[in-house]
Order: sequence, then structure tokens, then C-alpha cells
Amino acid sequence: NAGVTQTPKFQVLKTGQSMTLQCAQDMNHEYMSWYRQDPGMGLRLIHYSVGAGITDQGEVPNGYNVSRSTTEDFPLRLLSAAPSQTSVYFCASSAGEGWYFGPGTRLTVT
Amino acid sequence: GQNIDQPTEMTATEGAIVQINCTYQTSGFNGLFWYQQHAGEAPTFLSYNVLDGLEEKGRFSSFLSRSKGYSYLLLKELQMKDSASYLCAPWGASGGSYIPTFGRGTSLIVHP
Repeated sequence: NAGVTQTPKFQVLKTGQSMTLQCAQDMNHEYMSWYRQDPGMGLRLIHYSVGAGITDQGEVPNGYNVSRSTTEDFPLRLLSAAPSQTSVYFCASSAGEGWYFGPGTRLTVT
Repeated sequence: GQNIDQPTEMTATEGAIVQINCTYQTSGFNGLFWYQQHAGEAPTFLSYNVLDGLEEKGRFSSFLSRSKGYSYLLLKELQMKDSASYLCAPWGASGGSYIPTFGRGTSLIVHP
């Protein structure tokens, strides 16, 4: 199993651009989530999903959209990038007893 | 939020034992995870506590007291590679019943 994969690993955007961060898992996990991690702030929940077709907002959802059309994929869309969205983004998945994280996407918005 | 409180930084000597404490808000609490995160890497799952008591997994153990809103991670026979950030993550009230909320982490420095 590849586990949780994320693409791209690194990305630089200009303010106002949009993009999609990809996340996929091959463990048939029902739960998936997106976090961002900033220095001194810890991991903060953006959006999560408890199964295909079901998503909900986390602590910091503004400026981001998600969808979950399949069990495997949970893309995160930045609608209009802002410098405040410069961060490391982690996707994670779970079947019930622990969350498994992808390697992260390091995003810089200039 | 979960009002998670853990020390910002700890130092310890190689071969020693260290205990990292975590307190959290008990309202809606269901369980708690501990994660290890090396600099520049993703968090990795260490342990999962739902019931009161100690869960042992090799050199790492985690303890939970639900009534006190308290957990600790115990690391034995410390090695240099244990230098990392340790994240306490209760789940329950915030962000859905099974979605963890993460503390800011404790940076552990192991020196020779």
C-alpha cells in the first residue's frame, strides 16, 4: 500500500490564483481530513469527511473548498490564494483507531 | 476548542526516561492520540487511549485519566532519534466525533 499520498510536494502561487491540492489513500479509510500547520500554531483542521459524499468544516475553512466523490480521493481547493494561506498542508485518513498523514504540501503565496 | 495544554519544550539525556504531560478540556471527550513529528516531516501515529490507564507499546507508553482531563506520554531508554515534537490530540467535541484537535506540541531535545 502507498498509504496517503499528496501532490504536489511544493507549490508557489501568486495572490489571487487558484489551485487544487491532491490527496489520495489506498487503505479504504472512511475518514479523511485536511490540516494546515504554521509555526507556533500547531495543526489546525480545515475540512474533514466521514465518508464519500459527506464533508464538513473544521476550525479554519475560509478560503478552501473540498469534495469527496470517492472513498480514495479528497482534494482541497484554494479559491483565490492569499499570503495568509502560506503554510504546510497535511491530508490524513483513518479507519477508526489512528490517523495516518500524507507527506505534506509546502505552499507559498506571494 | 479543546484547550490543550502541554509544555513547549523539554530536554533529556540519552538513555533516560521522560514524561510529557497533556491536559485538555473534558467536555465531549471520547479519546486521545499521541503523535511524533520530526522537523520537516509528517506526524506519525504513536498511541491511542480511550479507557483510563496505561497503554504500553515498546519504549513508548501513554496514560489517560478521563475524569482529570489528563494524559501523559512516557518515553523510556531515550535515543537521539527521539528528538522530535510530540503532539497530544484529543478527539470528541471539536470538529466531529472522531476528528482530533492537536495541541501545539512539546519539542523534546535529547542530548548525549
